Amino acid sequence: DAGVTQSPTHLIKTRGQQVTLRCSPKSGHDTVSWYQQALGQGPQFIFQYYEEEERQRGNFPDRFSGHQFPNYSSELNVNALLLGDSALYLCASSEYGIHTDTQYFGPGTRLTVL
Amino acid sequence: QKEVEQDPGPLSVPEGAIVSLNCTYSNSAFQYFMWYRQYSRKGPELLMYTYSSGNKEDGRFTAQVDKSSKYISLFIRDSQPSDSATYLCAMKFNYGQNFVFGPGTRLSVLP
Repeated sequence: DAGVTQSPTHLIKTRGQQVTLRCSPKSGHDTVSWYQQALGQGPQFIFQYYEEEERQRGNFPDRFSGHQFPNYSSELNVNALLLGDSALYLCASSEYGIHTDTQYFGPGTRLTVL
Repeated sequence: QKEVEQDPGPLSVPEGAIVSLNCTYSNSAFQYFMWYRQYSRKGPELLMYTYSSGNKEDGRFTAQVDKSSKYISLFIRDSQPSDSATYLCAMKFNYGQNFVFGPGTRLSVLP
């Protein structure tokens, strides 16, 4: 049973560019959440997708957008990259609406903005 | 005051020691509490999941939740060098809600 997978593993971009990160959830999961983890910090919630719609959003600007596909996979897009966007981007999947809807994380995509 | 706080460490202990990791939080509405382990440059791995107050044990790991004090703990017995990692506490208000993470505590278990 494949867990949560993310691609690419690493990415280097320059300021002002745009980036797309991808996530495939764990088998049986229908909900995808994205987190940003700066070095030495805990993950910060960006947004959550369920049924191809954004259901919740954290305190991130509109430069951060996402999408969920019918097969439950998801993309995170970041426009107009800033140096401060350099971080590990984590995808987590879960099963929506059940009591024990804990989240399982992928390995992350490490984004470096130069 | 941050919503969830942890002692950042690093915490160094000898192999075989009992380790106590702690989180405090400010919002009494949190009901679900989790502990994750994160190895360097990897994604967090779920260790323990508890609902409301009480204790939960799984092998060498015990999670405690004291909602009256807004304090949660993770105990690791017979610690091993392979336990060396960053430990993150996380919590949420209700199912379906997003998680709020602490900043993590770095643990080193020395052989």
